[in-house]
Amino acid sequence: GESVGLHLPTLSVQEGDNSIINCAYSNSASDYFIWYKQESGKGPQFIIDIRSNMDKRQGQRVTVLLNKTVKHLSLQIAATQPGDSAVYFCAEGQGYNKLIFGAGTRLAVHP
Amino acid sequence: GAVVSQHPSWVICKSGTSVKIECRSLDFQATTMFWYRQFPKQSLMLMATSNEGSKATYEQGVEKDKFLINHASLTLSTLTVTSAHPEDSSFYICSARQGISNQPQHFGDGTRLSIL
Repeated sequence: GESVGLHLPTLSVQEGDNSIINCAYSNSASDYFIWYKQESGKGPQFIIDIRSNMDKRQGQRVTVLLNKTVKHLSLQIAATQPGDSAVYFCAEGQGYNKLIFGAGTRLAVHP
Repeated sequence: GAVVSQHPSWVICKSGTSVKIECRSLDFQATTMFWYRQFPKQSLMLMATSNEGSKATYEQGVEKDKFLINHASLTLSTLTVTSAHPEDSSFYICSARQGISNQPQHFGDGTRLSIL
């Protein structure tokens, strides 16, 4: 389930289940969206991005969905593995210029 | 591909000293580099955008005289924290974007700065 921690909300899932991480963005003028994964003590790692002229994009085990009507972005991870445990950030931008990062969600994968 | 290297990864120094952090794009040319600051369990906050050969653009509330940014080449940007104080202790992360379009920002592994 999902819970709000001291600073980061946490999503706990069982290994092998699918994970869905949600993000609400604020600027209706944003036309570029991106998901990053950050492991402890490291920099963010690019996962997948999507432009506003699309509503879905798939990668390896990951899918990003964009709903511009409600300004909502989600990241779906199929068959979640222990190595997927990390903090996930969505970010929004205009063009490929500066990004504004969301608050982040911690994904905890349990065996 | 798209590897960004940051150095040092960790630095501890006394209050009042200046600290320089390097950000290098190893296998691509980065016309634009970005500097972020991240506090524990919080998100990344953009400090400044650096374009090669020109002055950096700082975000509101970021002191440009405190955080000096130089982007002298297409593969190197530096951030110097001048006269650092304990409140400057944080995780500083850079990212780089390739000059051609349709490329996302790629991040370094950050520098943990601790000011005593």
